[in-house]
Amino acid sequence: DAGVIQSPRHEVTEMGQEVTLRCKPISGHDYLFWYRQTMMRGLELLIYFNNNVPIDDSGMPEDRFSAKMPNASFSTLKIQPSEPRDSAVYFCASLRSGRGDTQYFGPGTRLTVL
Amino acid sequence: SQKIEQNSEALNIQEGKTATLTCNYTNYSPAYLQWYRQDPGRGPVFLLLIRENEKEKRKERLKVTFDTTLKQSLFHITASQPADSATYLCALDMGSASKIIFGSGTRLSIRP
Repeated sequence: DAGVIQSPRHEVTEMGQEVTLRCKPISGHDYLFWYRQTMMRGLELLIYFNNNVPIDDSGMPEDRFSAKMPNASFSTLKIQPSEPRDSAVYFCASLRSGRGDTQYFGPGTRLTVL
Repeated sequence: SQKIEQNSEALNIQEGKTATLTCNYTNYSPAYLQWYRQDPGRGPVFLLLIRENEKEKRKERLKVTFDTTLKQSLFHITASQPADSATYLCALDMGSASKIIFGSGTRLSIRP
């Protein structure tokens, strides 16, 4: 299995631009999570999906952030407009329920907003 | 709200010694407690899971303990090696896939 796939691995953009991060979960996994990691705040859960349906988006910092999961093999996290404080590493993780709740993380997308 | 504290940001020990990392939490005990390893530029990788009714769990050179009275988990690496150098994260799983809260991590360095 290829594991969780994220793209791009690095993104540099200017303040005000739209940013779209992509994730392909492990096949057969029914949960998908988006996290953000910074030195100051550590690893924070932004939103998660179960069977493609958003379940809890209480971690999404504000309306500039949105996430979708149109099918079981693809999810996007969009920031519009981006701000310098959004600079962080964004991780996607997936999980197959009933298997000990172990999350499998992707390699992350390092976002820099200038 | 539930809080997690990992004892130190960084820990440096000599190769061959046992590394011990601490994870403390407040409020109610989680159903599971997990430990992950994170290398620079990579996502966290699951290592071990221990349930609230388990006292200890082992996997090769790794050992995790879980004391719900002290609200603490200890993570041990015996016969440590430079390759064990990484950041280790503890995570509280409140019993559903949604409620996993991560600690800030401890950066472990094993010197030869």
